[in-house]
Amino acid sequence: DGGITQSPKYLFRKEGQNVTLSCEQNLNHDAMYWYRQDPGQGLRLIYYSQIVNDFQKGDIAEGYSVSREKKESFPLTVTSAQKNPTAFYLCASSSYRGIPEAFFGQGTRLTVV
Amino acid sequence: AQRVTQPEKLLSVFKGAPVELKCNYSYSGSPELFWYVQYSRQRLQLLLRHISRESIKGFTADLNKGETSFHLKKPFAQEEDSAMYYCALGTGAQKLVFGQGTRLTINP
Repeated sequence: DGGITQSPKYLFRKEGQNVTLSCEQNLNHDAMYWYRQDPGQGLRLIYYSQIVNDFQKGDIAEGYSVSREKKESFPLTVTSAQKNPTAFYLCASSSYRGIPEAFFGQGTRLTVV
Repeated sequence: AQRVTQPEKLLSVFKGAPVELKCNYSYSGSPELFWYVQYSRQRLQLLLRHISRESIKGFTADLNKGETSFHLKKPFAQEEDSAMYYCALGTGAQKLVFGQGTRLTINP
């Protein structure tokens, strides 16, 4: 079953702890993205990666970090420096060839208490 | 900087009425514009892209470079069109930026 998988679906963490969200794709896509979805603010780009071992900051990268060691994986770490980490996080991937259609995961809802 | 603006957070129309969801963008290069849709309890998915000039589920969207707009239209709304709609801008560097989204509700 091809697609993009995020895990876990729900995540709870204590304030001050770092937490890593997983995103895996088996679509052989070069580009991967992380977005944060908040009510009334739409999708805001956190980080994106065009190829392995390379990534760029999006519009709201502060307090987040990523890595792209493998083509199929793009984990996002929400650090303790992120002031308001409770949110719904979406991962996406797209082919680097032609017009990019992004495929999205189901999302991870992170709650920091 | 790239930016996408969807001025309406909520839009409510009656079944059979025309629908127009507005989208304006800001980008100095050659834009690639998309509309994505999220139905209840489903993943965000591509609805249509400007380059294809296609009609999907009765929806169309025309890129107007002069007005920097990419409004989504449907002549006769159906109840199953109720969803969250996002306009998105793609750049040559594979950066994909989304608008704030419009929640469309079709009333019976």
